[in-house]
Amino acid sequence: GQNIDQPTEMTATEGAIVQINCTYQTSGFNGLFWYQQHAGEAPTFLSYNVLDGLEEKGRFSSFLSRSKGYSYLLLKELQMKDSASYLCAVNDAGNNRKLIWGLGTSLAVNP
Amino acid sequence: EAQVTQNPRYLITVTGKKLTVTCSQNMNHEYMSWYRQDPGLGLRQIYYSMNVEVTDKGDVPEGYKVSRKEKRNFPLILESPSPNQTSLYFCASARDSRNTGELFFGEGSRLTVL
Repeated sequence: GQNIDQPTEMTATEGAIVQINCTYQTSGFNGLFWYQQHAGEAPTFLSYNVLDGLEEKGRFSSFLSRSKGYSYLLLKELQMKDSASYLCAVNDAGNNRKLIWGLGTSLAVNP
Repeated sequence: EAQVTQNPRYLITVTGKKLTVTCSQNMNHEYMSWYRQDPGLGLRQIYYSMNVEVTDKGDVPEGYKVSRKEKRNFPLILESPSPNQTSLYFCASARDSRNTGELFFGEGSRLTVL
């Protein structure tokens, strides 16, 4: 079946680094996406990985290992505004390119 | 400014009273989709559209209708709303069907059905 797992909640300290993991099982794979969603707001696109390795974009990086069905989002130099839910989603090529969503990881950044 | 616009943003209605949530995008995107988001259930796709006059069911289409008569608009219709349709609704668009993972979301429509 199709499944995406990510931790429900995480807590970190301002200025620190946090890694949010995502594991997936899908019938096909056509890319993995990370979104950020602040409470009561719309999700916004953060990153896209389709090949193995690390993609860096400012303070945010995303890593993918297709053989392990695993990705992580790395947030550096945490700021209070990074407190949000982080959603992992996989484009399932074997299912009409359907986007399979994780339930999200709620990150709280404390001073 | 590139955006997806939904209306209304907030609505309280009663069971059985037909309503439409409008969605419009100004990016000339081919792909559009409707999601609902509920606590503990995450984002669930209701309907999607690959292009004008092409729509298809998502994971939770029951009780909803959509149409795609123009590229920019993708309204969501609740013919006879019920309390279990109380939710936060998001419209989203993507450049085309090959890029459905990079979605631009509207601000959301919070619907309460009494």
